[in-house]
Amino acid sequence: AQSVTQLGSHVSVSEGALVLLRCNYSSSVPPYLFWYVQYPNQGLQLLLKYTSAATLVKGINGFEAEFKKSETSFHLTKPSAHMSDAAEYFCAVSDRSTGKLIFGQGTTLQVKP
Amino acid sequence: NAGVTQTPKFRVLKTGQSMTLLCAQDMNHEYMYWYRQDPGMGLRLIHYSVGEGTTAKGEVPDGYNVSRLKKQNFLLGLESAAPSQTSVYFCASSYSGLSYEQYFGPGTRLTVT
Repeated sequence: AQSVTQLGSHVSVSEGALVLLRCNYSSSVPPYLFWYVQYPNQGLQLLLKYTSAATLVKGINGFEAEFKKSETSFHLTKPSAHMSDAAEYFCAVSDRSTGKLIFGQGTTLQVKP
Repeated sequence: NAGVTQTPKFRVLKTGQSMTLLCAQDMNHEYMYWYRQDPGMGLRLIHYSVGEGTTAKGEVPDGYNVSRLKKQNFLLGLESAAPSQTSVYFCASSYSGLSYEQYFGPGTRLTVT
């Protein structure tokens, strides 16, 4: 069965610092991977997705993620954090047989001034 | 384009009461999903539908029923609410499964007392 693990339920960075949110997946076949962001009291919106094209995927708001098959990882990064990046971030893998998304537990990003 | 809308936004139920949550999408998507979000557990799939007239169980289906009589609507029912069903419920839709992005509604916050 596929699964997703997000390391660290809370991450705190200073404004302007590097953002690194970690995601590891378990899958017996090449996965489709997603990062979603959830701002307070809102639904989820897609940041970026990996669908077996380029391993470095660029998303919205300056975020990017790199698919590393050897490490089964899909970490999310942003070179310089902005206060508006404070939100909860979810990594997800798509079940290839059903198309269902399997979510990680989420990481709350706090950005300090 | 309204995207995915959910009705109601908030609801308080007493144990044993019933209710129906309505999800509507105007993107002509085939797939629709119901999730619940609980702190520290990410999003868990309750039921989903791959087309009008079809439904299937997700990860946590017990205590819930669904119907997809029209392509644009996906209803989630609680026949006899329990305090364990206190959660935030999200509906999502996608063109297809697998690599296609899921679009999320704003959520319904349900409290069962």
